[in-house]
Amino acid sequence: GQNIDQPTEMTATEGAIVQINCTYQTSGFNGLFWYQQHAGEAPTFLSYNVLDGLEEKGRFSSFLSRSKGYSYLLLKELQMKDSASYLCAVRDSGNTPLVFGKGTRLSVIA
Amino acid sequence: DVKVTQSSRYLVKRTGEKVFLECVQDMDHENMFWYRQDPGLGLRLIYFSYDVKMKEKGDIPEGYSVSREKKERFSLILESASTNQTSMYLCASRSSYNEQFFGPGTRLTVL
Repeated sequence: GQNIDQPTEMTATEGAIVQINCTYQTSGFNGLFWYQQHAGEAPTFLSYNVLDGLEEKGRFSSFLSRSKGYSYLLLKELQMKDSASYLCAVRDSGNTPLVFGKGTRLSVIA
Repeated sequence: DVKVTQSSRYLVKRTGEKVFLECVQDMDHENMFWYRQDPGLGLRLIYFSYDVKMKEKGDIPEGYSVSREKKERFSLILESASTNQTSMYLCASRSSYNEQFFGPGTRLTVL
């Protein structure tokens, strides 16, 4: 079976750094994706990891360890607009559909 | 600019009605997907398609069917709507190995 786990909710302070973890157990692995979803809107793509290590894109970074089945999304210099749900998704092989975790709802407070 | 559009943002239907949700993408993507999203359950895959006239069942296909007569259009059909199909429906498309792009979603209420 396939299983993707991430915390349900997190709260962090404006200007701080937050790390959202994701663990996965899938039959294969062909890439891990992070999406951001604001309330009432569609998910938008943030990052993609297929090799171990850190991918940095502005204030957002994503890390992958394939041997541990583990990824995290790091958000720096948090802003109020970063309040959203963050979805971790895995493609287990080839061209198969993404499998999504249930998402982590992040609240940024002043 | 990448674009996935859905026919309605909000829809209200009655139990037993046949409901059509349309999705169109302008990126010439082969792959298209229909998900529903419910609080606490996340995104669940209903059906997907790798090409015209092809369809594959996802994790929760019961009560739904799909149609893909043209590459750019993927329709989700609720044959006889029920209250437990009240949900947010999201369409997505992608080329083979890249990220998925989502449409704005249709919030369907079945009374």
